[in-house]
Amino acid sequence: GAGVSQSPSNKVTEKGKDVELRCDPISGHTALYWYRQSLGQGLEFLIYFQGNSAPDKSGLPSDRFSAERTGGSVSTLTIQRTQQEDSAVYLCASRPGGGTDQPQHFGDGTRLSIL
Amino acid sequence: QKEVEQDPGPLSVPEGAIVSLNCTYSNSAFQYFMWYRQYSRKGPELLMYTYSSGNKEDGRFTAQVDKSSKYISLFIRDSQPSDSATYLCASPRGGNQFYFGTGTSLTVIP
Repeated sequence: GAGVSQSPSNKVTEKGKDVELRCDPISGHTALYWYRQSLGQGLEFLIYFQGNSAPDKSGLPSDRFSAERTGGSVSTLTIQRTQQEDSAVYLCASRPGGGTDQPQHFGDGTRLSIL
Repeated sequence: QKEVEQDPGPLSVPEGAIVSLNCTYSNSAFQYFMWYRQYSRKGPELLMYTYSSGNKEDGRFTAQVDKSSKYISLFIRDSQPSDSATYLCASPRGGNQFYFGTGTSLTVIP
């Protein structure tokens, strides 16, 4: 079946603009994660959705970042008033959910560049 | 101290060599361990997934877990240029959060 799909694959925007990044998880996966990956850095956890539970937002770096997941499927990560330090690859991952023995499956990410 | 530590490399080896990639972790509660491979401009791809101590083999790849020393390894036999990528180790905690190493960059020279 199809893997995790992210769009756009690349986004270039001016400082101060808002951006929306989309993630379409693997069908049937109830758990969805957003990460940020900067050059030379590891994966920085941003937010986690599990089914209808309240999301774990503990990794969001500022209130300019928000995410939602509609209908338990597609998720959108929004960055308001973008700053140059927001430039990074934003990765989405999903997994079947429930239990600790379910690894994550990643999309190819959105490469965000803030001019 | 980070939950999962990984030598960033870079690591460069000739084709056919045996490659050893290593991570250490700090939390003895970690039970599951994953290795991901990430090609340039791609997302991480699940390569190996292990539970508890011991070895798990899949073709040219062997994942090893030593819980007594909190050490996990990935061995690649007969390395190929197509193995050139960044390798990330990871472990879940509490079912929700996953902790990733920073990745080791590997280049296999033909």
